[in-house]
Amino acid sequence: AQSVAQPEDQVNVAEGNPLTVKCTYSVSGNPYLFWYVQYPNRGLQFLLKYITGDNLVKGSYGFEAEFNKSQTSFHLKKPSALVSDSALYFCAVRKTTDSWGKLQFGAGTQVVVTP
Amino acid sequence: EAGVAQSPRYKIIEKRQSVAFWCNPISGHATLYWYQQILGQGPKLLIQFQNNGVVDDSQLPKDRFSAERLKGVDSTLKIQPAKLEDSAVYLCASSLAAGTYNEQFFGPGTRLTVL
Repeated sequence: AQSVAQPEDQVNVAEGNPLTVKCTYSVSGNPYLFWYVQYPNRGLQFLLKYITGDNLVKGSYGFEAEFNKSQTSFHLKKPSALVSDSALYFCAVRKTTDSWGKLQFGAGTQVVVTP
Repeated sequence: EAGVAQSPRYKIIEKRQSVAFWCNPISGHATLYWYQQILGQGPKLLIQFQNNGVVDDSQLPKDRFSAERLKGVDSTLKIQPAKLEDSAVYLCASSLAAGTYNEQFFGPGTRLTVL
């Protein structure tokens, strides 16, 4: 079975500082990895995904994530955080061999960016 | 491009009552998902449709939950009778196809409160 761990319930960062949201996964075989963001009273919005190739993936709103196979991690990063980045972030994984593409989500990390 | 539509946005019912949620996916998306998101947790897949057929309902409490996707477009999720632990946000998502790494697009969700 696949699983995702987001070890931090909340990350606090000052505006302009770098932001990192951690994610580790467990899946048999190769993974597809995703990051989504959720703003209050709204559905999840896709940020970026890792499929294959370059381990550094760039996505929306200046976010990027680095796939590390040996550490089974896919941490989300942003060089300079904005107050508007304050939201709930979810990491998700699916097996490449899963023909129906079932996603397993982590519990989420609340990001708070202070002015 | 219109996004995934859901209604109602909020619903309050008493336990043992029934409730239904509606979802209209993005036009042309063959795959539709219903998720349950309990406060403080990541979304959990309840049921996945490929066109109008069910491909995964392993986590759907079938004694009280049912879902259908007639004509392979709109979908409804029903709970009958509701329990207190069904209080959650119910998210609908769609994607172009299931057996690929296409990202899922989420609707705004329906927040259900069971009293």
